[in-house]
Amino acid sequence: EDKVVQSPLSLVVHEGDTVTLNCSYEVTNFRSLLWYKQEKKAPTFLFMLTSSGIEKKSGRLSSILDKKELFSILNITATQTGDSAVYLCAVRRDTNAGKSTFGDGTTLTVKP
Amino acid sequence: DTGVSQDPRHKITKRGQNVTFRCDPISEHNRLYWYRQTLGQGPEFLTYFQNEAQLEKSRLLSDRFSAERPKGSFSTLEIQRTEQGDSAMYLCASSLDPGQGYEKLFFGSGTQLSVL
Repeated sequence: EDKVVQSPLSLVVHEGDTVTLNCSYEVTNFRSLLWYKQEKKAPTFLFMLTSSGIEKKSGRLSSILDKKELFSILNITATQTGDSAVYLCAVRRDTNAGKSTFGDGTTLTVKP
Repeated sequence: DTGVSQDPRHKITKRGQNVTFRCDPISEHNRLYWYRQTLGQGPEFLTYFQNEAQLEKSRLLSDRFSAERPKGSFSTLEIQRTEQGDSAMYLCASSLDPGQGYEKLFFGSGTQLSVL
């Protein structure tokens, strides 16, 4: 059974801090790892990673994958209160497999 | 609005009653997924459709749960004889065919089910 473990479970920081969220996984026939942000109800897509060592970046957020060590990190620099959310990591198997397996998320709280 | 929509947003029911939820995916998406999420947990896969065909169903899913996507567009998820343990957020998501490189899921806002 595929497994995704995220750490820490929760994190409280102040605006301007930099945070690193971790995601480790075990999956057969790895296809991709995706990060989502869940603020209230609907998770929204952040990044998809398929290759090791290639950083994906969007503004203050960046993510990288290590396929040898089976983990990914999500970095957020200069955090803002609007970054407060649950960050979910998910893995997918090969292209014909339907499901994404999610971790339990990291709850990030950014205080003013 | 061209996003994924779910109806109702909230449902309160008594134990033993049947409930049905509806999901309207993004119109050009041929894949539709149902997930369940409880507080402090990540979304748990329930089932998915490619067009009208239900291709995978979680082994954890009891026979009380059934899902349909009759014309390959909207989908319904029915829970029969609800139990208190069914209380959760039911999330629907859609996507294009991942085989074409479209891996990401577009989620609806969910239906929050409370079983009393």
